[in-house]
Amino acid sequence: DTAVSQTPKYLVTQMGNDKSIKCEQNLGHDTMYWYKQDSKKFLKIMFSYNNKELIINETVPNRFSPKSPDKAHLNLHINSLELGDSAVYFCASSQPSGSSYNEQFFGPGTRLTVL
Amino acid sequence: QKEVEQDPGPLSVPEGAIVSLNCTYSNSAFQYFMWYRQYSRKGPELLMYTYSSGNKEDGRFTAQVDKSSKYISLFIRDSQPSDSATYLCAMSSLYGGSQGNLIFGKGTKLSVKP
Repeated sequence: DTAVSQTPKYLVTQMGNDKSIKCEQNLGHDTMYWYKQDSKKFLKIMFSYNNKELIINETVPNRFSPKSPDKAHLNLHINSLELGDSAVYFCASSQPSGSSYNEQFFGPGTRLTVL
Repeated sequence: QKEVEQDPGPLSVPEGAIVSLNCTYSNSAFQYFMWYRQYSRKGPELLMYTYSSGNKEDGRFTAQVDKSSKYISLFIRDSQPSDSATYLCAMSSLYGGSQGNLIFGKGTKLSVKP
């Protein structure tokens, strides 16, 4: 049973297009994240949602807009795609950190290529 | 200076070798230190987690944190070909803003040759 799933797994598109990536978790977690991993494997957080509410928004262009319809889903919509957006995007989920660390579970990633 | 520094390797060792992976960091607010393993074309998975300073052992894996030196290590004993993966260190602080905000190193690619 997949814990954190993402669709699509691969996405190839032209510059200027708008695309969405979907994420779902069946772990009952309250917190979900989007990360970007560039070609050098550097993994950086983009957004974090707790109970459908945005709690982290790192310095990400406003062409990227996350949407959380419910606790189990966090989608990422990207407008006007640019070459530099090519990367692997990972969704993750965890319980809220509170006073201790809670493990983040990662999805399999969506490999986005912008031509 | 980046918040977390990690030598990207690649690191190639023979099967059975002891592997040492390291990260240094600059933010003294970090309290939680993690090692994630990422196989090719997969998402990272948590391998070890340590709170504050000290050692933690789990089978063939040992994580060490030295907060005074701002230095963390992961040791793999009796390395196996199945250990071939990219190992990412990650850290977070209890306070300082965002819940669960993990800062990752760039990852070290390890290859264990049979």
